[in-house]
Amino acid sequence: GENVEQHPSTLSVQEGDSAVIKCTYSDSASNYFPWYKQELGKGPQLIIDIRSNVGEKKDQRIAVTLNKTAKHFSLHITETQPEDSAVYFCAASTPLLSGNEKLTFGTGTRLTIIP
Amino acid sequence: SAVISQKPSRDICQRGTSLTIQCQVDSQVTMMFWYRQQPGQSLTLIATANQGSEATYESGFVIDKFPISRPNLTFSTLTVSNMSPEDSSIYLCSVAIAGKNIQYFGAGTRLSVL
Repeated sequence: GENVEQHPSTLSVQEGDSAVIKCTYSDSASNYFPWYKQELGKGPQLIIDIRSNVGEKKDQRIAVTLNKTAKHFSLHITETQPEDSAVYFCAASTPLLSGNEKLTFGTGTRLTIIP
Repeated sequence: SAVISQKPSRDICQRGTSLTIQCQVDSQVTMMFWYRQQPGQSLTLIATANQGSEATYESGFVIDKFPISRPNLTFSTLTVSNMSPEDSSIYLCSVAIAGKNIQYFGAGTRLSVL
C-alpha cells in the first residue's frame, strides 16, 4: 500500500519568515495530494491541494509543489503569521480497484510561529 | 464543501462499555469515512461507510469492535464496542462528494476510556 513520509515533525519559524514542509510518497498511482491544517481541538481543515497533472499551485500565502518523478511534494507558507501555528498533515490519494480512492496521511508537522 | 456535524464532541467512558458516534452531513455525499487519531499521532482510516451495505474495513479493524451503519446518504454512525483505555483517541468522520476525491472532516469526537 501507499506510504507517506513527512518532514520535519516540528518546525519553529519567526513571524514573517517562510515555512516549508516536505512529503514523499511511494505509490506512483497516487494522483491527488491534499494538505490539511489541524488546530487544537478541531478536525483537519483542507487548505490546499494539487493533482498529479499540475506541478505547482498557489493560494495567497500558501503554495504546493509536486515532483511526480521524485514522488515528493511540499507545502510553502510565506509571510507566516501567529495564526499559522497548527499541525499540518500531507496526504496522498490512491485509486483502488473498487473505484474508490484512499487517503494515506503523513505523520504531521507541528508548526510554531514565534512572534 | 460540506458541513459535517459530529456528536458527541467528547465523552469519558468506563471500560467494557460501548459508545456510538454520529455523523451528519448537510448534503448528499457519495463517500463517508471513519478515522482514528491517537494522541499526537496521524490519522488512520478505520473503514469506509457504504450506504445500504456493510462497511469496508481496513487492516487491523474489525466489524465486531467498530460496527458502522449508514442508513442514508447523509448520516452514519460508528460504535466503539467493549472499550478499553487503548481506545482513547479522537474519532473523525469525513465525507467526499461524488466525482471528487476531496475529503472534508468533522470536528471529531474526543474519547477517553477509564
